[in-house]
Amino acid sequence: GQQLNQSPQSMFIQEGEDVSMNCTSSSIFNTWLWYKQEPGEGPVLLIALYKAGELTSNGRLTAQFGITRKDSFLNISASIPSDVGIYFCAGQGSPGNTGKLIFGQGTTLQVKP
Amino acid sequence: DAGVIQSPRHEVTEMGQEVTLRCKPISGHDYLFWYRQTMMRGLELLIYFNNNVPIDDSGMPEDRFSAKMPNASFSTLKIQPSEPRDSAVYFCASSPTPVGETQYFGPGTRLLVL
Repeated sequence: GQQLNQSPQSMFIQEGEDVSMNCTSSSIFNTWLWYKQEPGEGPVLLIALYKAGELTSNGRLTAQFGITRKDSFLNISASIPSDVGIYFCAGQGSPGNTGKLIFGQGTTLQVKP
Repeated sequence: DAGVIQSPRHEVTEMGQEVTLRCKPISGHDYLFWYRQTMMRGLELLIYFNNNVPIDDSGMPEDRFSAKMPNASFSTLKIQPSEPRDSAVYFCASSPTPVGETQYFGPGTRLLVL
């Protein structure tokens, strides 16, 4: 089945540092989404990308839809302790895939104050 | 504006018992999704509905699992009989038209089957 490869699997950084994570796929997608999940909660949508090459920001977060439509990255600038959580990428809309989201395995982020 | 509502938030049951998980999607959302999350397998889509009709149930692990959506504001996921390997967090998500691309998740039900 379709899979997304998300990396890195985990990160432990110092407060104030920038963070970068990415997802790659063997299939093309029409939509890329980035979610954050905090302990005991469901994933919360951070950024949605709908066009190849699109670069979108949400505060300190920036995400891009790869030009090949097979990858996406998420950057977090000047990390703070509340950025801690698991970040998931998700792709949707590849040929033969109607409405379903395919999720990456997640990147666990720890921020040291 | 209330988000996706799930109940119960936690469920502990014994093997062989029936478990029913409930979900109320965001009003006006035509798509509803049920996911299961485990450490080993991550987030897995079990089934999704469009306008109360099941569209894809290929992720439902076996016949012990069933899902219904009797109306636009309510869905259930039932496991009967439950087994220890069903222990996981079950999420419901909903999405507006047209394609269900931006899904909004509920807080999840943490199920433990002893």
